[in-house]
Amino acid sequence: DIQMTQSPSSLSASVGDRVTITCRASQTIITYLNWYQQKPGKAPKLLIFAASSLQSGVPSSFSGSGSGTDFTLTISSLQPADFATYYCQQSYSDPYTFGQGTRLEIK
Amino acid sequence: QVQLVQSGTEVKKPGASVKVSCKASGYTFTDYPIHWVRQAPGQRLEWMGWINAGNGNTKYSQKFQGRVTITRDTSASTGYMELSSLRSEDTAVYYCARDRNWALYEFWGQGTLVTVSS
Repeated sequence: DIQMTQSPSSLSASVGDRVTITCRASQTIITYLNWYQQKPGKAPKLLIFAASSLQSGVPSSFSGSGSGTDFTLTISSLQPADFATYYCQQSYSDPYTFGQGTRLEIK
Repeated sequence: QVQLVQSGTEVKKPGASVKVSCKASGYTFTDYPIHWVRQAPGQRLEWMGWINAGNGNTKYSQKFQGRVTITRDTSASTGYMELSSLRSEDTAVYYCARDRNWALYEFWGQGTLVTVSS
């Protein structure tokens, strides 16, 4: 199975900050990497697919990059609605595994 | 608009089975696969398996092989996930998700909490 490891596991930041979350795969997944946002008690929401493509309706403050084994999710200017948990997911091969999550909290 | 509506909370005893439903609307049900993903308390999301809603073909995670059965009823535009031989570690929120392509989950159900407790 492909292991997905995110860092950091938690992050405190302020409104307006720029934040970056990283995700590393245990083997190459080319660009089969997706990012989701999850708020408490809610289903995940797709933000970024294929490493860098912005899902329709998602603010342009979100961006993704990377290929191979190393990927990043960047939020250019944090808004109050962005405080949530973020997960990366590889869709290269089954089982389709997720990272452990990065909890983004208000400083 | 696309919606996936799941069945309600379940409480089961160890050793029992649970069957969760996922009713789709707003699109042609047979055009997209349905995947099942679970999330135990405080844990990461975990993929369980998927079904081709058109032809009924399935693929399961090795972790759940032998315990999970995913089916669908095309006349009802509904997918089902049944998990047997439940144990306390199966306590989780179970989600269905529509696969746009390559296990890309664009739409999700609201989740179904399954609690396994004696």
